[in-house]
Amino acid sequence: DAGITQSPRHKVTETGTPVTLRCHQTENHRYMYWYRQDPGHGLRLIHYSYGVKDTDKGEVSDGYSVSRSKTEDFLLTLESATSSQTSVYFCAISDSRNEKLFFGSGTQLSVL
Amino acid sequence: AQSVTQLDSQVPVFEEAPVELRCNYSSSVSVYLFWYVQYPNQGLQLLLKYLSGSTLVKGINGFEAEFNKSQTSFHLRKPSVHISDTAEYFCAVSENKGRRALTFGSGTRLQVQP
Repeated sequence: DAGITQSPRHKVTETGTPVTLRCHQTENHRYMYWYRQDPGHGLRLIHYSYGVKDTDKGEVSDGYSVSRSKTEDFLLTLESATSSQTSVYFCAISDSRNEKLFFGSGTQLSVL
Repeated sequence: AQSVTQLDSQVPVFEEAPVELRCNYSSSVSVYLFWYVQYPNQGLQLLLKYLSGSTLVKGINGFEAEFNKSQTSFHLRKPSVHISDTAEYFCAVSENKGRRALTFGSGTRLQVQP
C-alpha cells in the first residue's frame, strides 16, 4: 500500500469552528489532492497541489483552503465549518498526471 | 471543462451473469480515462486506465473497458460477476493537457445477488 496517512480519521465539530485535516505521504510523490465524497455526488475535487507551494482550486473549493509547505504534507482547512461540509474527505497522491491515484483511508467529518 | 456522467446509480445483477457499467465523458481535448472501485469502508483502487493506443483495456479482477471516441464513452464490462464484485465503481477523466486534475463521476453501485 502507498504510504498515505490521513489524520484525524474521525472528527465531530461545531458550526463555526476551524478544522484542519492533514494528509501525510512517504512516497515523495509530486501531486496531491483533496476530494470529498457525498452520496449521489461521487468524489468532488476540493483543491490540488502540483508541488510545494503550488496549489489550485477544484470544483468545490468555496469554504476551504490548503497549504503545502513540504512535499510530504498537504493540509486542508475549513476556516469556519458549516453543516454542508459534513462529508468523508479523501486525500490522494500520484507521481504524474496520467498515473493512478493512491488514496488514503479517508476522514469522516461531522459538523453539528 | 471536463465532466463525467455515469448513467446508472445502481446495477443489480445475479452471480455469474455479465455486467456493463456505463460511462460517458465530455471534454474539448484528448483525455485519459480511468475506472476505480471502492469496497465498503475503504478508499478507491484503480481497476484500469486508458491513456492511448488500443481502445480495449484490460484491468484487474477480470474487468475490461472499451474507449469509444466517437460516442465519448468508456463502458466497463465483466463477462461473469462474483459476489465479491459488489462495490461502488467510479469512472474518471483527466484532460491530457493543462493543469486539470482527475474528475470523477457520481458512481455506480454494483449489487451482485446469489
